[in-house]
Amino acid sequence: AQSVTQPDIHITVSEGASLELRCNYSYGATPYLFWYVQSPGQGLQLLLKYFSGDTLVQGIKGFEAEFKRSQSSFNLRKPSVHWSDAAEYFCAVFTGGGNKLTFGTGTQLKVEL
Amino acid sequence: GAVVSQHPSRVICKSGTSVKIECRSLDFQATTMFWYRQFPKKSLMLMATSNEGSKATYEQGVEKDKFLINHASLTLSTLTVTSAHPEDSSFYICSARDPIRGSNEKLFFGSGTQLSVL
Repeated sequence: AQSVTQPDIHITVSEGASLELRCNYSYGATPYLFWYVQSPGQGLQLLLKYFSGDTLVQGIKGFEAEFKRSQSSFNLRKPSVHWSDAAEYFCAVFTGGGNKLTFGTGTQLKVEL
Repeated sequence: GAVVSQHPSRVICKSGTSVKIECRSLDFQATTMFWYRQFPKKSLMLMATSNEGSKATYEQGVEKDKFLINHASLTLSTLTVTSAHPEDSSFYICSARDPIRGSNEKLFFGSGTQLSVL
């Protein structure tokens, strides 16, 4: 069955520092991958997605992610973190046949000023 | 862009009462909507898939008599938590799929409902 693993439960970075959030997936076919951000008490906002083509995907708010099939990874990156980026980040895989999004357990990002 | 509206954003109720949560697609017709539940510090778990005009499809372990889903129109799905108990306290999020946008991957999420059962 498809699954998504986010190894880091919490990450703390200083404002202005670079960020990388890890995501590994398990899926037999070519996955459709997503990164979402959730602010406290809020719903989810899509940051970026990968379906096919260029493995480096650009998203909103300066985020990018790179799909690496050999490593079954889809890590989220940002070169310079802003205090407003503090939130919960979820990686997800979409199974088109099953019509479902399977989410990772999330990574809580804290930004130190 | 497409917007999904979820109401209420927060509800507190007494144990034994029922609570209805609404999910509306504001500028597209959503033939399919999804209901998720999020426990504190946990990921989102799909509860059920709601299809307009037909019965919802529930995930394994989700009590369909407990969590009633109605998708009576192309823009509205409702989740009713019947005879709520404290263990039902959670954050519930809906999402809607816009089929017109060209792919099944166009999912939009509501802002969530925090349910607290006393």
